[in-house]
Amino acid sequence: DADVTQTPRNRITKTGKRIMLECSQTKGHDRMYWYRQDPGLGLQLIYYSFDVKDINKGEISDGYSVSRQAQAKFSLSLESAIPNQTALYFCATSGQGLNEQFFGPGTRLTVL
Amino acid sequence: RKEVEQDPGPFNVPEGATVAFNCTYSNSASQSFFWYRQDCRKEPKLLMSVYSSGNEDGRFTAQLNRASQYISLLIRDSKLSDSATYLCVVNLNTGGFKTIFGAGTRLFVKA
Repeated sequence: DADVTQTPRNRITKTGKRIMLECSQTKGHDRMYWYRQDPGLGLQLIYYSFDVKDINKGEISDGYSVSRQAQAKFSLSLESAIPNQTALYFCATSGQGLNEQFFGPGTRLTVL
Repeated sequence: RKEVEQDPGPFNVPEGATVAFNCTYSNSASQSFFWYRQDCRKEPKLLMSVYSSGNEDGRFTAQLNRASQYISLLIRDSKLSDSATYLCVVNLNTGGFKTIFGAGTRLFVKA
């Protein structure tokens, strides 16, 4: 089984809809991250969490919110989706320090 | 100027060729460095960390030049399976967390 899982894997929605993307991990890591990837751009950090009670904004947090329900779960919400939020979204985890990040398989989101 | 810059490519090389990618970073507070590999429509995966003294993992060699603020990745004896996008990643130590991903360099290895 995969260490980092994301649901759904693909989602098509309409402008104005609320969407939640979920991430679960079995690696026992405290640190979790949400990124988006657009063609020709690097991964951009949306939010990150270093433990269950810790939530931090990344470089592009506007229009997004997150919830860290447990050490193993970190969800990303789009309260009112807009077309420029169409992208590939990745969840990642890491251990302590500036170490390797382990990514989930990604969620491809299309907002019409 | 982007904080981490890579040549987007694509690099088209024949099997068996040697190919090198460079990545420059702008922040001198950069502390740790990595190369990740990303296959089409898949998640990034760590290829190797980059150490100040340079490091090698089989056909792959990574180098760091702090003075000039760049890192490099050399792939020897390219295989068809090396075709992917290679992401340069830099972690900053600025009192808070910051990891910056380059946009990636695409490599196509052809028979």
